[in-house]
Amino acid sequence: SYVLTQPPSVSVAPGKTARITCGGNNFGSKSVHWFQQKPGQAPVLVIYYDSDRPSGIPERFSGSNSGNTATLTISRVEAGDEADYYCQVWDSTTDHYVFGSGAKVTVL
Amino acid sequence: EVQLVESGGDLVQPGGSLRLSCAASGFTFDSYAMNWVRQAPGKGLEWVSSISGNGGSTFYADSVKGRFTISRDNSKNTLYLQISSLRADDTAVYYCVKLRHQFVGATGDSWGQGTLVTVSS
Repeated sequence: SYVLTQPPSVSVAPGKTARITCGGNNFGSKSVHWFQQKPGQAPVLVIYYDSDRPSGIPERFSGSNSGNTATLTISRVEAGDEADYYCQVWDSTTDHYVFGSGAKVTVL
Repeated sequence: EVQLVESGGDLVQPGGSLRLSCAASGFTFDSYAMNWVRQAPGKGLEWVSSISGNGGSTFYADSVKGRFTISRDNSKNTLYLQISSLRADDTAVYYCVKLRHQFVGATGDSWGQGTLVTVSS
């Protein structure tokens, strides 16, 4: 089955930039989506189709996909960005959605 | 405004069954595919099942195939998940998710608040 690999945790100081990676095979053929989940809340879509941002999501959130790694970048990190972040793809070879294991972002 | 309200979660014994429901509003329900995604306590997100906008195509995770059945009633704007032969590892919050298109494969752009299923004797 298709596997997405994320670091378990990312720590960043306020005002700095956080980069959360998501690794997978043959990413070039897949679109990567990113979700933010704060404690006790449902996930929220923050990036779709690698780099598009839904309405209402701050411009500080951006995404990229190159080679076998997709990256969610959070610029000028704020305390309110502390959350778990999950990447997701649709694997058309198995007709399955796949989530990464999630990365916990801690604001120092 | 899109609203998704799940219900039906409960404490159930191993081997038991439940039907989860998701009442949708704020969008043209039959124009969008839908997902169920679950999250075990303290764990990550796990995709469970998907259904196309007209209900003609369904997909299941290997872990639930043959035990869970997804369906929808577009006249009632409601999504369902019939879950049976429940096991302890099915214990999770189950989320209803609206996808961005009528076909499965798009990502989800709206999530409900979830309903808790606990499997225990």
